[in-house]
Amino acid sequence: QLQLLESGPGLVKPSETLSLTCSVSGGSITSDYWSWIRQPPGKGLEWIGYVFFTGSTNYNPSLRSRVTMSVDTSKNQVSLRLNSVTAEDTAVYFCARLEEPGIRQYYFDPWGRGTLVTVSS
Amino acid sequence: SSELTQDPAVSVALGQTVRITCQGDSLTTSYATWYQQKPGQAPILVIYGNNNRPSGIPDRFSGSISGSTASLTITGAQADDGADYFCHSRDTSGNRYVFGTGTKVTVL
Repeated sequence: QLQLLESGPGLVKPSETLSLTCSVSGGSITSDYWSWIRQPPGKGLEWIGYVFFTGSTNYNPSLRSRVTMSVDTSKNQVSLRLNSVTAEDTAVYFCARLEEPGIRQYYFDPWGRGTLVTVSS
Repeated sequence: SSELTQDPAVSVALGQTVRITCQGDSLTTSYATWYQQKPGQAPILVIYGNNNRPSGIPDRFSGSISGSTASLTITGAQADDGADYFCHSRDTSGNRYVFGTGTKVTVL
């Protein structure tokens, strides 16, 4: 059974870079799309972007200038970097596999349990 | 438009039926997906492709679509169904994935 686990610093200072890793177990990251999604405390979900196992990416236009995603197939890991963070970037960050089971059908499954990142000095 | 709008909260008596709706233009170009999220937990997929249930999801959960409005129906709600529910699709430009504003379901 595929399992995802996010890890990284829980506290980041304003203007610095948020860096998170998603470790995938129970399967290989090759041949799939891997997404990052975030949820500010008490609020809804926001898609950040995805990375394909080849390294190709697609980012949310609202975050594109600050986001970088990458894969390390040797470690079965996916990474997220978000530059120039502010308090508005405080959120629980989830990684999830993006599936397209049919034309115009999309879903995220499974999800990691998420990791809270707080931006504060 | 790439927004998906949901009612903030609904309540349902134990064993009764509740319908949650999600409205947005993106639902005319992309199928609807629904997730259940409990406090402090990751979302769980409950419906994809408008009306398909993943294995392990009880058949009291069903989905439907009418124009730009998708619906998730829980028939015979159980106490364990109390949670936040989010819809999801890809926006009309095809450039990003969008989530609904979320509906909190309370089972009385």
